Amino acid sequence: GNSVTQMEGPVTLSEEAFLTINCTYTATGYPSLFWYVQYPGEGLQLLLKATKADDKGSNKGFEATYRKETTSFHLEKGSVQVSDSAVYFCALSKTGTASKLTFGTGTRLQVTL
Amino acid sequence: DAMVIQNPRYQVTQFGKPVTLSCSQTLNHNVMYWYQQKSSQAPKLLFHYYDKDFNNEADTPDNFQSRRPNTSFCFLDIRSPGLGDAAMYLCATSRDRTGGYTFGSGTRLTVV
Repeated sequence: GNSVTQMEGPVTLSEEAFLTINCTYTATGYPSLFWYVQYPGEGLQLLLKATKADDKGSNKGFEATYRKETTSFHLEKGSVQVSDSAVYFCALSKTGTASKLTFGTGTRLQVTL
Repeated sequence: DAMVIQNPRYQVTQFGKPVTLSCSQTLNHNVMYWYQQKSSQAPKLLFHYYDKDFNNEADTPDNFQSRRPNTSFCFLDIRSPGLGDAAMYLCATSRDRTGGYTFGSGTRLTVV
């Protein structure tokens, strides 16, 4: 079956540090890949996505590249801010009757001044 | 703005007392999903509707039911909530097979 593996958190960084959150996946065929962000007490917001190999998704300074050869979709940001503190979920979907999302377990990011 | 709205944001229910959570959407998406997210865990799909077709996940307990009376609304019914059902319940929509989900803000359910 499909699965997503994320690096465990929490990740604690100082403001303006470089961020990498690793994500690898297992799936047959060609899934679409997503990063979602969840702020405390809120639902999930789509951060970025990529639908085919070598695509780069980007948004709000975050980016991730769909690497089929390594089955990875690592999230990066060059300079994090305190406001980026949240839980980040990597997810994949396979097209079918409906595009059901399979999530990783989430990585909590804490950015300090 | 087109969106997915969940009511209420917080729900407290008694052990064994039926409870209904609601979700509405103005996106006119034909797929609606219910996810359960327990503390510090990944969201877990309970079921989804593709138009009027109901699709249950194999490991979703019978205690959980859903209704979709029209395109805009979808309800999650928990017939006899147990303490283990305390969680955030997330509603999401998507248009067909694009995988472009829109999530609501969630309903946090507490069982006392």
